[in-house]
Amino acid sequence: AQSVTQPDIHITVSEGASLELRCNYSYGATPYLFWYVQSPGQGLQLLLKYFSGDTLVQGIKGFEAEFKRSQSSFNLRKPSVHWSDAAEYFCAVGPSNDYKLSFGAGTTVTVRA
Amino acid sequence: DAMVIQNPRYQVTQFGKPVTLSCSQTLNHNVMYWYQQKSSQAPKLLFHYYDKDFNNEADTPDNFQSRRPNTSFCFLDIRSPGLGDAAMYLCATSRPDKATQPQHFGDGTRLSIL
Repeated sequence: AQSVTQPDIHITVSEGASLELRCNYSYGATPYLFWYVQSPGQGLQLLLKYFSGDTLVQGIKGFEAEFKRSQSSFNLRKPSVHWSDAAEYFCAVGPSNDYKLSFGAGTTVTVRA
Repeated sequence: DAMVIQNPRYQVTQFGKPVTLSCSQTLNHNVMYWYQQKSSQAPKLLFHYYDKDFNNEADTPDNFQSRRPNTSFCFLDIRSPGLGDAAMYLCATSRPDKATQPQHFGDGTRLSIL
């Protein structure tokens, strides 16, 4: 069965600094990988997704993620965070022949001025 | 814009009083999902519909039921809400025939139990 681990429960970063959120997955074949963001009291919004091809994927809001098969990782990055990036971030994995997602526990990002 | 809409955004009910949450979509997606999300936790899948086929997760309590009268609408019924059912409930949709398509989420309904 597939699973997702987000090792960091909470990250605090200064506005303008870079951000990296870690995600490790466990799955036998090539996974479909997603990053979602959830602002307080809101639903989940898709930031980016990876299925195949270029291992560096660009998403919305200036985010990017890199798929590394050798490390079973799909880390999310942003070069310069804005106060509005304070939110909960979820990594998710879905196998290619199913339509259910497995979510990581999430990482809360706090942005300080 | 095509989207997933949940009503109401906030729902307050009494302990043991049945409550229904609704979800509608304009995406024409085959699959509709209901998730329960408690504070600082990942969403937990309760069940989903693939067209009219209902798929319950093994650990979803019998207290939770769902109806999908047509492609656009899906309802979550909680027959006798307990204090532990207070949570955010998220509806999502997807098109599994296009496996690369992600799930699209609504803004959720925050359920409080008095």
